[in-house]
Amino acid sequence: AQKVTQAQTEISVVEKEDVTLDCVYETRDTTYYLFWYKQPPSGELVFLIRRNSFDEQNEISGRYSWNFQKSTSSFNFTITASQVVDSAVYFCALSEANGNNRLAFGKGNQVVVIP
Amino acid sequence: DSGVTQTPKHLITATGQRVTLRCSPRSGDLSVYWYQQSLDQGLQFLIQYYNGEERAKGNILERFSAQQFPDLHSELNLSSLELGDSALYFCASSLEDHNTEAFFGQGTRLTVV
Repeated sequence: AQKVTQAQTEISVVEKEDVTLDCVYETRDTTYYLFWYKQPPSGELVFLIRRNSFDEQNEISGRYSWNFQKSTSSFNFTITASQVVDSAVYFCALSEANGNNRLAFGKGNQVVVIP
Repeated sequence: DSGVTQTPKHLITATGQRVTLRCSPRSGDLSVYWYQQSLDQGLQFLIQYYNGEERAKGNILERFSAQQFPDLHSELNLSSLELGDSALYFCASSLEDHNTEAFFGQGTRLTVV
């Protein structure tokens, strides 16, 4: 069974600081996909990134970066130079290749950026 | 804007009632998913449809049902509502039923009183 753990519940940072969100996953499949979604105060879920289990290349996209380490089953997410608009709940999610694309979500990290 | 449209945005109803939530997927997407977000359970997968057929079921109660119509829109029916059914219900859609990212609507906030 697939499982996603996000240990930190709420993280507060001062604007312009970096913030890293930890995500640890469990799956028996060798092929799977990892995601990060953002849920701002308005409530919608915004897709940020998708990575497959064969692509461990880390990426930077603007102020966002991701660190995928298969050896430790982790898929961490970093916001650099945080801004107030980054205040949101961030969800890590996993789908297994034979799981019909259904997502298993972590509990989420509430990020509060203080001006 | 994800392109997934959910109506209504808010719904308040009494216990024992039945409601229908509607979802229009992104243009071209064949797969529709329903998720429930509650404070105690977090985000949970309920059910998936692909091109009109049910593909996968998650933690969906027997009082809940869904369908996907020929025009690919989907409806989630919740009946004999209980206080504990109060939650944010999300619809998501994706191009295929595997190996593709899903895009979420804005959700329907259901309050059962």
